[in-house]
Amino acid sequence: RKEVEQDPGPFNVPEGATVAFNCTYSNSASQSFFWYRQDCRKEPKLLMSVYSSGNEDGRFTAQLNRASQYISLLIRDSKLSDSATYLCVVNVRSGGSYIPTFGRGTSLIVHP
Amino acid sequence: EPEVTQTPSHQVTQMGQEVILRCVPISNHLYFYWYRQILGQKVEFLVSFYNNEISEKSEIFDDQFSVERPDGSNFTLKIRSTKLEDSAMYFCASRGTSGFANTGELFFGEGSRLTVL
Repeated sequence: RKEVEQDPGPFNVPEGATVAFNCTYSNSASQSFFWYRQDCRKEPKLLMSVYSSGNEDGRFTAQLNRASQYISLLIRDSKLSDSATYLCVVNVRSGGSYIPTFGRGTSLIVHP
Repeated sequence: EPEVTQTPSHQVTQMGQEVILRCVPISNHLYFYWYRQILGQKVEFLVSFYNNEISEKSEIFDDQFSVERPDGSNFTLKIRSTKLEDSAMYFCASRGTSGFANTGELFFGEGSRLTVL
């Protein structure tokens, strides 16, 4: 079973739409959860951390369900500039360390 | 804003040649990572480095790979004898400490694209 799983998409939505991405992780000892954004052929950049209580940053809302080992990202009022790949990142326990481990990413295309 | 810098941005090499990819992490960061991303695929962990030694490495990081921190600033990834399948984007990342050592954002460099012919 893959450590961090995401639906690859693509999600093709019109401007203004609300879109939700899901991510599951297999290691219950995982700590620290993030959503990164990656534009084509660029480096990943942090979008937001994900806290147990859920957190919101403008149009973006992230939620964590530890019992189900599930993380979500909701984007409201999608903009053309939101088109990118969204990467779920989980700090997975490995030996004595935690390794930031990436899902394969979910592709979002926002069209006019 | 502090940033991670990587050189070269693109390197083309012949199969069997040695390649060194260089990274300058953010100066007060303590944890350093190399990841790779084959075109169209996921970002894969290669190795992590802390306190001047490897802390974890993946199955990908076999004997042909090595990392060094030769001075206080540079962090290098060496591939001894490149193979066609080593063609990928290699990202360096660094992380400070934010409260707990297991938390904290990864800061990525822009990547070094390696093409093996």
